[in-house]
Amino acid sequence: GQQLNQSPQSMFIQEGEDVSMNCTSSSIFNTWLWYKQDPGEGPVLLIALYKAGELTSNGRLTAQFGITRKDSFLNISASIPSDVGIYFCAVIPRGTYKYIFGTGTRLKVLA
Amino acid sequence: KAGVTQTPRYLIKTRGQQVTLSCSPISGHRSVSWYQQTPGQGLQFLFEYFSETQRNKGNFPGRFSGRQFSNSRSEMNVSTLELGDSALYLCASSTGQDLSEAFFGQGTRLTVV
Repeated sequence: GQQLNQSPQSMFIQEGEDVSMNCTSSSIFNTWLWYKQDPGEGPVLLIALYKAGELTSNGRLTAQFGITRKDSFLNISASIPSDVGIYFCAVIPRGTYKYIFGTGTRLKVLA
Repeated sequence: KAGVTQTPRYLIKTRGQQVTLSCSPISGHRSVSWYQQTPGQGLQFLFEYFSETQRNKGNFPGRFSGRQFSNSRSEMNVSTLELGDSALYLCASSTGQDLSEAFFGQGTRLTVV
C-alpha cells in the first residue's frame, strides 16, 4: 500500500538550532500536510501545502513539497523547548477520502 | 469557534465488552474521519463519513463500526474488545466534500484489560 517515509526517525538538538525533516513517497500527491503531536494529544495542523515548489511559512516553520510531488520537507528555525513532539506528514490519495500519515519524526530539544 | 471534541478522554474496559466513542466536529464541518493510533502501527485509518454516508473504510475487522448523525456528530463502536484494541482513537473533521485540512480532537485513550 501507499507509504510515507519520514526521516530522520528521531533527533536531538540544542535549543536555538535549526531543524530540517523530510517525507518521501513512491506516489504523487497534490496536497501535503504537516502535523505536530504532543504526548497523549491529537495532532495539530502546522502547515498545508497545495502548490508544488512553493514555500509556505507559519512563524518559525517553513515547508514545501517538491516539483516531483513525491516529497516534502519541514524546517523549524531557532528551535525552542516547546517544539518537542512528533511531527507527521500526511497526504490525501485522490478519491479515497482518507489521509495517509508518515511514520513520524520525534524531536527532542535540549535546553 | 470550538474545536473537535471527543468524549470520553479516557476509558478502561474489559476484554469482551463493547465501547462507544463520540466525536463532535468543528461547526460547519461535514466530514468526520476516525483513526487508531498505536506505538507500533502509527496512525491507521478506520473510516470516514460525510453527510451521514460512509465513504471509505480501513482494514479493520467488522467489530469496528461507526455512524454519523444529521448534525455531523459521529460515533464509533468497538464490540467484543480485545487487548490489542488498546490505543488512542482520534477523530478528525474537515469542511466539505473533498478532504482538505483535517483538524483533530484530543483523542480517546482506550485501555482494554
